[in-house]
Amino acid sequence: GNSVTQMEGPVTLSEEAFLTINCTYTATGYPSLFWYVQYPGEGLQLLLKATKADDKGSNKGFEATYRKETTSFHLEKGSVQVSDSAVYFCALMSNQAGTALIFGKGTTLSVSS
Amino acid sequence: NAGVTQTPKFRILKIGQSMTLQCTQDMNHNYMYWYRQDPGMGLKLIYYSVGAGITDKGEVPNGYNVSRSTTEDFPLRLELAAPSQTSVYFCASSYHSSQQGGSPLHFGNGTRLTVT
Repeated sequence: GNSVTQMEGPVTLSEEAFLTINCTYTATGYPSLFWYVQYPGEGLQLLLKATKADDKGSNKGFEATYRKETTSFHLEKGSVQVSDSAVYFCALMSNQAGTALIFGKGTTLSVSS
Repeated sequence: NAGVTQTPKFRILKIGQSMTLQCTQDMNHNYMYWYRQDPGMGLKLIYYSVGAGITDKGEVPNGYNVSRSTTEDFPLRLELAAPSQTSVYFCASSYHSSQQGGSPLHFGNGTRLTVT
C-alpha cells in the first residue's frame, strides 16, 4: 500500500542554519505530495505541494522537489528562523478516487537564536 | 468563511462514557476526514467520507463511528470511551474531483480528549 517515511526528529538548529527534512514515499501511479506544518496548539496548515514529477513546491522560503526516480520529496530552507519552530509532516495523496491523505510521523524542528 | 470548525476544544471523559465530537465545514468540500494524533506517531486516519451518505474506515476505526448526513457535517462518535482513546482529534476537509485530483486538506484546530 501507499506510505510515507520521514526522518526522525527532533531537529535542532541555530537561527540562519540550512534545513533539510527527508521524506520518501511508496505509492502506485502518480500521487500528489504535500508538506504540512503544525505550530504549537494549532491544527495542520498546508506549507507547499507538488502534483507531478519534477515539480517544485515553494512557500515562505521552504522548497521541495518531487523526485520520482528517488521517490523523494525532501523539504529544504536556506536560512531558518526561530518562528519556523514547529512540527513538519510529509503527506501523500493517491490519484485514485476515494482515497485519503496519508501522513508521515512528523519531524519536530526547534530553532534557537 | 469559518473553514473547518471543531467542538469542543477540550473534554475529559470517564471510562465507558460516550460522546460526539462535532465537525462542520463551510467550504462545500466533498471529502471529510477524522484523524487522531498521538505523540511521536503522526496522524492516523480514523474514518473518512467522500460525500454525503458515504463513509469509509481508515487505519484505526475500532471504537469509533461516523455519519455524513449532510455535506457540511461529519461528527465522530465514541460509544464506550477507553484510556487508549486519549488523544488529539483533528477533523479535515478537502475538495476532490476525478479531473483535478485532490486539493490540500483544511484542518480544524483539534479536540483534546482525555479518558480516565
